[in-house]
Amino acid sequence: DQQVKQNSPSLSVQEGRISILNCDYTNSMFDYFLWYKKYPAEGPTFLISISSIKDKNEDGRFTVFLNKSAKHLSLHIVPSQPGDSAVYFCAGSNFGNEKLTFGTGTRLTIIP
Amino acid sequence: ETGVTQTPRHLVMGMTNKKSLKCEQHLGHNAMYWYKQSAKKPLELMFVYSLEERVENNSVPSRFSPECPNSSHLFLHLHTLQPEDSALYLCASSQWIEGNEKLFFGSGTQLSVL
Repeated sequence: DQQVKQNSPSLSVQEGRISILNCDYTNSMFDYFLWYKKYPAEGPTFLISISSIKDKNEDGRFTVFLNKSAKHLSLHIVPSQPGDSAVYFCAGSNFGNEKLTFGTGTRLTIIP
Repeated sequence: ETGVTQTPRHLVMGMTNKKSLKCEQHLGHNAMYWYKQSAKKPLELMFVYSLEERVENNSVPSRFSPECPNSSHLFLHLHTLQPEDSALYLCASSQWIEGNEKLFFGSGTQLSVL
């Protein structure tokens, strides 16, 4: 049973436009969510996180939105740049538990 | 450079071989993790060590044996693996505190079992 789902395995976006990556979760105990970015031949790197007490967190070009009632979160990248081409993983956890549950990832390709 | 170094980067082994994966972190963290990434599957947590004690074993077969001699080093000993164990094995570290920790990952070991 996949508790974190990223239903789009891939996404292509024109450079300069907005990229929107989606993630759904089923575990209602999750109260903390993270996005990781992974380039080929490298490990994932932390990108941005959000606590369930918020519905939005922004860091530069990256914004994560959380809709708790829909158990849905999204990552917005604007404007998209070629260096944003990577695989993006969504992950959830609950407070006090170090175990992160990851999604399968979405491969984002930014077209110059 | 994330501060977490994994060796080797690539490993090909037969089903009867014994090999070990090594991970070293230079971040002063006190928790270390092994994750497995198979094609089209989520990252799967295998083992967690906090303060050099194993706190999580996520139903991993005994042919995978972790070892954490100190807070900076983590090993994964492999013995009589199966072809389906071929995957990317990722080590990660974090600072273990009450709350939610960010993981810092190494580049991984791409393992192929023949």
